[in-house]
Amino acid sequence: DQQVKQNSPSLSVQEGRISILNCDYTNSMFDYFLWYKKYPAEGPTFLISISSIKDKNEDGRFTVFLNKSAKHLSLHIVPSQPGDSAVYFCAASESGGYQKVTFGTGTKLQVIP
Amino acid sequence: ETGVTQSPTHLIKTRGQQVTLRCSSQSGHNTVSWYQQALGQGPQFIFQYYREEENGRGNFPPRFSGLQFPNYSSELNVNALELDDSALYLCASRAGPSTDTQYFGPGTRLTVL
Repeated sequence: DQQVKQNSPSLSVQEGRISILNCDYTNSMFDYFLWYKKYPAEGPTFLISISSIKDKNEDGRFTVFLNKSAKHLSLHIVPSQPGDSAVYFCAASESGGYQKVTFGTGTKLQVIP
Repeated sequence: ETGVTQSPTHLIKTRGQQVTLRCSSQSGHNTVSWYQQALGQGPQFIFQYYREEENGRGNFPPRFSGLQFPNYSSELNVNALELDDSALYLCASRAGPSTDTQYFGPGTRLTVL
């Protein structure tokens, strides 16, 4: 039962262009969404998050969009840089009690110089 | 301020054995979560410890158990190892049980033969 889905295992983008990573979820109780970046031999690093009361959150080159009716979120990276090449995980959690975070399977982004 | 560290980096065990993995949380963090990341998958939540008590658990059997110590370190114990337990085990610490941002260690790669 995959509650958070990233249907694109990989994505290649030219340096300077926009990278768009997509994520879908099925659990309507999720109200907080996060993106993590993971380099080889390192743990995931928090990138950006969004609460379900918002539909957009920006942090520098990174913007996350949330469409609650479609249960869909996306991460936009503009402009893409070679250092952005990594695996990106979408994650979601429910408020209240402990913070159980459910991760997607990841999308491997390659930014080509 | 030190980050999250894990030991050992790699470990090889045989089926039926027991294993203990260790994690040192980021300074000041009283909450730690453990995740299992199988090859090609996203991290899966095992459990969370807050102030030395388990306060949340994912869909893992009782042979997965943990401990958290007053010095912020923690352990993940797995009994009666199975081949499917081969995975990267990640720990993540946060400043409190409801704090959104968690910081991951680099993980322990466990191989069960």
